[in-house]
Amino acid sequence: EIVLTQSPGTLSLSPGERATLSCRASQTVSSSNLAWYQKKPGQAPRLLIYGASSRATGIPDRFSGSGSGTDFTLTISRLEPEDFAVYYCQQYGAFGQGTKVEI
Amino acid sequence: EVQLVESGGGLVQPGGSLRLSCAASGFTLSNYWMPWVRQAPGKGLEWVANINEDGSKKYYAESVKGRFTISRDNAKNSLSLQMNSLRAEDTAVYYCARDAGNYYGSGTLFDYWGQGSLVTVSS
Repeated sequence: EIVLTQSPGTLSLSPGERATLSCRASQTVSSSNLAWYQKKPGQAPRLLIYGASSRATGIPDRFSGSGSGTDFTLTISRLEPEDFAVYYCQQYGAFGQGTKVEI
Repeated sequence: EVQLVESGGGLVQPGGSLRLSCAASGFTLSNYWMPWVRQAPGKGLEWVANINEDGSKKYYAESVKGRFTISRDNAKNSLSLQMNSLRAEDTAVYYCARDAGNYYGSGTLFDYWGQGSLVTVSS
């Protein structure tokens, strides 16, 4: 069973700053199977990135994903007010525990 | 427009049963794997179960195996989750989603989600 560990647990940043979120897998995973989601309170999760680095439809280009093997990264180049949320990585039936990006 | 609408949530006593439904529209349900994912209060996302296109393959998280049953009716464009022997730790918002992994060359990715249905297990 693959375990995904996200870090940090909470990221405190200001609008306009860069956010770097990490997702580490307990064993090597295929990059094609790694996705990232954004979750806001009271809303459904939103797919941001699939295949580790491909943006989903309608996702702004300030969101980017990278990584391979066991280490993956979600980067938000310049935080907008609407980007403050919790972010989850996912590989098949496993989700990471989430990283909260707060102001 | 793709839409997924859950229903059937509510308050149930420990040991009780509840059946969630998910009405799908705007796409051909029979072309997609479909999962249920939940989020307990203050917790992260947890995959619960999924089912393949024709309903012949079903997989469950260990936490619900033997208690929950996922099913689908492609003719009625619907997905269901029968939950038996409910426990307090099953309290969560339950989401149905569409798994478009096969169309993106990815193993699993959930590109559309419903708004969720709250299940509360409490006496």
